[in-house]
Amino acid sequence: SQQGEEDPQALSIQEGENATMNCSYKTSINNLQWYRQNSGRGLVHLILIRSNEREKHSGRLRVTLDTSKKSSSLLITASRAADTASYFCATDARNSGANSKLTFGKGITLSVRP
Amino acid sequence: DAGITQSPRHKVTETGTPVTLRCHQTENHRYMYWYRQDPGHGLRLIHYSYGVKDTDKGEVSDGYSVSRSKTEDFLLTLESATSSQTSVYFCAIRGQGTNEKLFFGSGTQLSVL
Repeated sequence: SQQGEEDPQALSIQEGENATMNCSYKTSINNLQWYRQNSGRGLVHLILIRSNEREKHSGRLRVTLDTSKKSSSLLITASRAADTASYFCATDARNSGANSKLTFGKGITLSVRP
Repeated sequence: DAGITQSPRHKVTETGTPVTLRCHQTENHRYMYWYRQDPGHGLRLIHYSYGVKDTDKGEVSDGYSVSRSKTEDFLLTLESATSSQTSVYFCAIRGQGTNEKLFFGSGTQLSVL
């Protein structure tokens, strides 16, 4: 079963607007990561937030993490047509001493209209 | 881009035939992963490796085996391909030490007829 569940499944916005995507997960995590996938390509890492962090920024990206609610959000500000892609959250639920492996959600399809 | 190469990029095969997909890295990273991506399911982990000859199962490992005889190569084998294994397969490597992000290959589109 998948750890992360993204919401909404699809999002369509106008260029210049902000896009907010949410991810919920089930078990305790070490970190949560967001990835982007352009059509027909492999995934590309966007940002990582650790379990002891609440917010991180990277350029136009802002990620928040609420471990009490087991949820994260990815905000893309001032969206561009080039942001059109699928976005995935992934969680590392590794226990101490265990091996690292990421569990991905089903993804969110973002369409940014010019 | 991280040095990850998947081969082949596309393959069409028949039900019941064996298939091997190759993932090659030039980064000397310890962790390597095989995922499959299907509509409505996102990415699901098949197998992963945490060192030479060290592998473990993921959530959808049935029907798949893997081998890692050297650091740079991680092979995924479908012993007897089935139509349900038609999918896009992605290999990934994990960054070293505290760099915990994954770097993905370009994928292999496998069709089992």
